[in-house]
Amino acid sequence: DTEVTQTPKHLVMGMTNKKSLKCEQHMGHRAMYWYKQKAKKPPELMFVYSYEKLSINESVPSRFSPECPNSSLLNLHLHALQPEDSALYLCASSWTSGNTVGSYEQYFGPGTRLTVT
Amino acid sequence: TQLLEQSPQFLSIQEGENLTVYCNSSSVFSSLQWYRQEPGEGPVLLVTVVTGGEVKKLKRLTFQFGDARKDSSLHITAAQPGDTGLYLCAGRDFGNEKLTFGTGTRLTIIP
Repeated sequence: DTEVTQTPKHLVMGMTNKKSLKCEQHMGHRAMYWYKQKAKKPPELMFVYSYEKLSINESVPSRFSPECPNSSLLNLHLHALQPEDSALYLCASSWTSGNTVGSYEQYFGPGTRLTVT
Repeated sequence: TQLLEQSPQFLSIQEGENLTVYCNSSSVFSSLQWYRQEPGEGPVLLVTVVTGGEVKKLKRLTFQFGDARKDSSLHITAAQPGDTGLYLCAGRDFGNEKLTFGTGTRLTIIP
């Protein structure tokens, strides 16, 4: 099973709302990622968790708050977003230990299409 | 900041033709991955290349990693409409999990 699931599939929120995106994987991966993808652009890395600890934050604004409750779950809490934050938000997971070929192959979920009004 | 430039940016060809997509960087990567992405979906991993000069084949798709591990190519033989999509290369840094994505090639195969 190489499936990463994300909920919700679509989300529309106002600039004063608080919402959360959820991601789940059951492949035993110990690294999980959040990416943001604008239309016609490649994914941009936001956060990396390794063994449930935040290892990379790509200078993301504090209105995005990641959380990794356990090795299978990854959340992205959203608060006071701006219209320019509208995008496809992708979650991915991978192995993280060792240097073998498969260690860092990332498997992506289908994404959450976020619209901020 | 590492950059991966893909060319061409857009490609539209007839079914049955061959094509090559290029992924170039001035940086060395520990490995390079190719993904295909459909509209509104997440990228799907096609292949990972690790060794300089490595060639991998996946049915009609042939992937090559440059000798210096700075560039890669994807060649598709006898393209089919099902090959339509956004093709992304992604290079992995040494010693961490970070992937840098290329600028993308949007491929359309006309039946």
